[in-house]
Amino acid sequence: AQTVTQSQPEMSVQEAETVTLSCTYDTSENNYYLFWYKQPPSRQMILVIRQEAYKQQNATENRFSVNFQKAAKSFSLKISDSQLGDTAMYFCAFLVPPQGGSEKLVFGKGTKLTVNP
Amino acid sequence: GAGVSQSPSNKVTEKGKDVELRCDPISGHTALYWYRQSLGQGLEFLIYFQGNSAPDKSGLPSDRFSAERTGGSVSTLTIQRTQQEDSAVYLCASSLYGLSPSGNTIYFGEGSWLTVV
Repeated sequence: AQTVTQSQPEMSVQEAETVTLSCTYDTSENNYYLFWYKQPPSRQMILVIRQEAYKQQNATENRFSVNFQKAAKSFSLKISDSQLGDTAMYFCAFLVPPQGGSEKLVFGKGTKLTVNP
Repeated sequence: GAGVSQSPSNKVTEKGKDVELRCDPISGHTALYWYRQSLGQGLEFLIYFQGNSAPDKSGLPSDRFSAERTGGSVSTLTIQRTQQEDSAVYLCASSLYGLSPSGNTIYFGEGSWLTVV
């Protein structure tokens, strides 16, 4: 079974600084997708960034980038120039392409990030 | 609609009563998902629909939980004889054709917060 582990329940960072959230996963599959989602107090989950396992290049989206280490099964999220609006729960998620018709994102338990002014 | 719409946003019910939670996905999205988020936990997969069919119901916790989707659009999650452990946020999501093979984006609603007293 696939599992996702986020070892940092809570983190804080000063505005304008850089923070890295860690995520590790366990799978025997070679082809899969990885995602980071943000959940602000409004509860709506918002996709931050995604990575295809077959791509060696790390994904980036503006201030958000990942460090994808396939051999180590590690998928950390770096937030540069942190802003107050980045305060939220961040979830790492994993998807293996459909097997037997299933499409199931597996989520970690999340990291609560607080950006301090 | 512009986004995934869920209703009610909050529901308090007495133990033993039945509840229905509604999800209206983004227009044209064939894939629909239900997840459950308990306090301090990550998201737990419940069920996945492709059109009106549910290829994967493996996440439904017990036979008190059921879901249907009609017309390839609106979905209803029903919980019968509610228990206190059913208290959680129930999140619905949709995606265009599904998450694979292209890793299409999954869009979440704001959830229905269920409290069983």
